[in-house]
Amino acid sequence: GDSVTQMEGPVTLSEEAFLTINCTYTATGYPSLFWYVQYPGEGLQLLLKATKADDKGSNKGFEATYRKETTSFHLEKGSVQVSDSAVYFCALIGGATNKLIFGTGTLLAVQP
Amino acid sequence: DGGITQSPKYLFRKEGQNVTLSCEQNLNHDAMYWYRQDPGQGLRLIYYSQIVNDFQKGDIAEGYSVSREKKESFPLTVTSAQKNPTAFYLCASSPGQMNTGELFFGEGSRLTVL
Repeated sequence: GDSVTQMEGPVTLSEEAFLTINCTYTATGYPSLFWYVQYPGEGLQLLLKATKADDKGSNKGFEATYRKETTSFHLEKGSVQVSDSAVYFCALIGGATNKLIFGTGTLLAVQP
Repeated sequence: DGGITQSPKYLFRKEGQNVTLSCEQNLNHDAMYWYRQDPGQGLRLIYYSQIVNDFQKGDIAEGYSVSREKKESFPLTVTSAQKNPTAFYLCASSPGQMNTGELFFGEGSRLTVL
């Protein structure tokens, strides 16, 4: 079945460091891909999305490119801030089912 | 302003008791969802509803029940049959009946069974 695999956390970075959180997927067909963010004590918010191969989603300085050849959707940010500390979830929809499938989440901790 | 309201934020329950978590949305969204979040396991779908008076089981529906009598409300009951109910529960909605993957989430309810 469809699945999403994320790098395990926590990821600990200093402020202004470069961020990469890896995400790979397994799905039939051509899924849409998403990154959601969960700040401490809150629900999830959609961060960015990409609906077809080679699309780049971007928001708030974060970017991710839909790579069909490597079945990946890695999240990147050039310079993280303390306020970016959160749990990041990669997700997909549109493979075998119409359900949104989440990865296990990656905790990012940014230190001043 | 519009959004999804979950209540209560924290809930304690004794074993053997049923408990109902509230989820209300004023976004005029057709579809609503309940997810369970456990540490290291991501989000798992419990139930979803694409239209009033209809709902479908998700991946882990056993021990849970829902109703969708009004478009804006989708309460979740955690029954005594749920073997491990301690978790963080998230309600979400999406605009259309078809799930595009763009969900709007509430702030969650944390249930602890004593």
